[in-house]
Amino acid sequence: DTEVTQTPKHLVMGMTNKKSLKCEQHMGHRAMYWYKQKAKKPPELMFVYSYEKLSINESVPSRFSPECPNSSLLNLHLHALQPEDSALYLCASSQETNSFADTIYFGEGSWLTVV
Amino acid sequence: AQRVTQPEKLLSVFKGAPVELKCNYSYSGSPELFWYVQYSRQRLQLLLRHISRESIKGFTADLNKGETSFHLKKPFAQEEDSAMYYCAALQGAQKLVFGQGTRLTINP
Repeated sequence: DTEVTQTPKHLVMGMTNKKSLKCEQHMGHRAMYWYKQKAKKPPELMFVYSYEKLSINESVPSRFSPECPNSSLLNLHLHALQPEDSALYLCASSQETNSFADTIYFGEGSWLTVV
Repeated sequence: AQRVTQPEKLLSVFKGAPVELKCNYSYSGSPELFWYVQYSRQRLQLLLRHISRESIKGFTADLNKGETSFHLKKPFAQEEDSAMYYCAALQGAQKLVFGQGTRLTINP
């Protein structure tokens, strides 16, 4: 299995809702990432987890809350989002975070629309 | 600021013609550079990386430190090469920074 799987593929939520995006990989990777991609823009890093610990938070607003329950799973909890948070959210993983030789594998993404 | 720049948002060439997608970087030292590709309705995937110096799907990219460039080239374009291409640099060991991307269209 060489895939990063994300669910749901599409999510529409109101500004008062609480929802979660989920990501799973079974490649034994110890680094997992959340990226945000707005329309016609490149992906931008949000969070990095290394060995299940948060290692990078790119000054992301607290309405986005990441969680890494185990080495195969990564969640992104969403609460009180704004319409401008509508975007494609990409999960990615790599073998580890301290090797320049590692390939970063991306999921297909979750399309989020905040209404 | 450290940046990756792709000057062309759109590039259109005919099938069989050479292709060059430009990428310039502003990182000091020897950055780790990559080309990622996103075909229609598919996930973002690694095309090649400068450290491995390999050719994937006929594409090559050479790091030119003098010009701070990492242009992606292919001598003969194929229709299936139509996609979005992102140049990216590794900032530290964890943060992948992408250029704005170039949408390549190969005309039959």
